[in-house]
Amino acid sequence: EVHLLESGGGLVQPGGSLRLSCAASGFTFSSYAMSWVRQAPGKGLEWVSSFSGRTSSTYYAESVKGRFTISRDNSKNTLYLQMNSLRAEDTAVYYCAKASGVIIDFGYWGQGTLVAVSS
Amino acid sequence: DIQMTQSPSSLSASVGDRVTITCRASQSMSNYIAWFQQKPGKAPKSLIYDATSLQSGVPSKFSGSGSGTDFTLTISSLQPEDCATYYCQQYNSFPLTFGGGTKVEIK
Repeated sequence: EVHLLESGGGLVQPGGSLRLSCAASGFTFSSYAMSWVRQAPGKGLEWVSSFSGRTSSTYYAESVKGRFTISRDNSKNTLYLQMNSLRAEDTAVYYCAKASGVIIDFGYWGQGTLVAVSS
Repeated sequence: DIQMTQSPSSLSASVGDRVTITCRASQSMSNYIAWFQQKPGKAPKSLIYDATSLQSGVPSKFSGSGSGTDFTLTISSLQPEDCATYYCQQYNSFPLTFGGGTKVEIK
């Protein structure tokens, strides 16, 4: 059974940094694309970043490009999101998602971790 | 960027009703459309992928259809446990984008 567990969220001041982790189990982690999706309080879903499983290519939303970095450690079955220069508008629940197959989609989701950016 | 316009933004229907939610893409695309269900305080759950394929374990009362720019999620017989917000999403091209959501309630 696929299991994704996010951690690392918390309260941070504007301009600060935070690193999120997503521990994966129940599948061959290195074979699948992984992504981060966020949801601001009371708002809809917003794709943040993806890391392909086969090509090691990375993709970012314009709103986070240059500030966030996605990475993965296949030996630890863990996905990361390094978030720098955080802004109030980055406040959201951040979900880790696993692709269903070859294409980068969001077949399976973790329970999310809350990031709050405030002074 | 492909914009996904979802309608309606909310609906109220009776138990047993057939419910349809539509999603229109800003440009014609392949069938890389997914539908998600999200209940309050919970993570989204994948229902449909590739526009029409049912995710493993999802009840067959959920179905997806459409092509080109117009896609539909149908719940064949609405039940109280289906009360949730539903989102469409395209993974045809980056940036990956979601519709604005449809909140489904029981009348």
